[in-house]
Amino acid sequence: NAGVTQTPKFRILKIGQSMTLQCTQDMNHNYMYWYRQDPGMGLKLIYYSVGAGITDKGEVPNGYNVSRSTTEDFPLRLELAAPSQTSVYFCASSYSRQGGNQPQHFGDGTRLSIL
Amino acid sequence: AQSVAQPEDQVNVAEGNPLTVKCTYSVSGNPYLFWYVQYPNRGLQFLLKYITGDNLVKGSYGFEAEFNKSQTSFHLKKPSALVSDSALYFCAVRDSITSNTGKLIFGQGTTLQVKP
Repeated sequence: NAGVTQTPKFRILKIGQSMTLQCTQDMNHNYMYWYRQDPGMGLKLIYYSVGAGITDKGEVPNGYNVSRSTTEDFPLRLELAAPSQTSVYFCASSYSRQGGNQPQHFGDGTRLSIL
Repeated sequence: AQSVAQPEDQVNVAEGNPLTVKCTYSVSGNPYLFWYVQYPNRGLQFLLKYITGDNLVKGSYGFEAEFNKSQTSFHLKKPSALVSDSALYFCAVRDSITSNTGKLIFGQGTTLQVKP
């Protein structure tokens, strides 16, 4: 029972490089989310999706892009990496019934450093 | 504005003693409240939630939380702490403005340290 799988687990990028953080879930959840976690700051929502083909901005979307071509996959793309994007990135998913009162399930994160 | 506050950055308790991790919230409408735990180098794990009903909610690993509407609080509790409970704890509330998206607003987290 894999749940939410994120790859890679660690990555070091140079300023200006681009990369895609992968996220896949096998629970048939419609809702998916991308967060970044910085020390002492909690989790900030970057982008979210309520279903395949539908995405929307969260609290801190600048510098990121997402796509949702399938229910299972929700990749996050950094186009021009900047030091401010050094963070731990978490993908999460949840079941869409009952008005969004279902808990979110999290992957184990991608630790990204921009140097 | 909707928000969640965890007023303590760190809580220290001795093993076997009761523990409380505090959370207060501000949201329009009925609050849907959650507690999550994060162990080092892992993602968040769901502990418990309050949607409606009894104010005392029981969850995983012996944790419980008390919903208090008048004080807009949802404190996490456990009668007897274990060293293995040491972790980072997050309180969250469902975003009621976009309630059909499942979006959550998280507090900044509280580190729980249980000493033997």
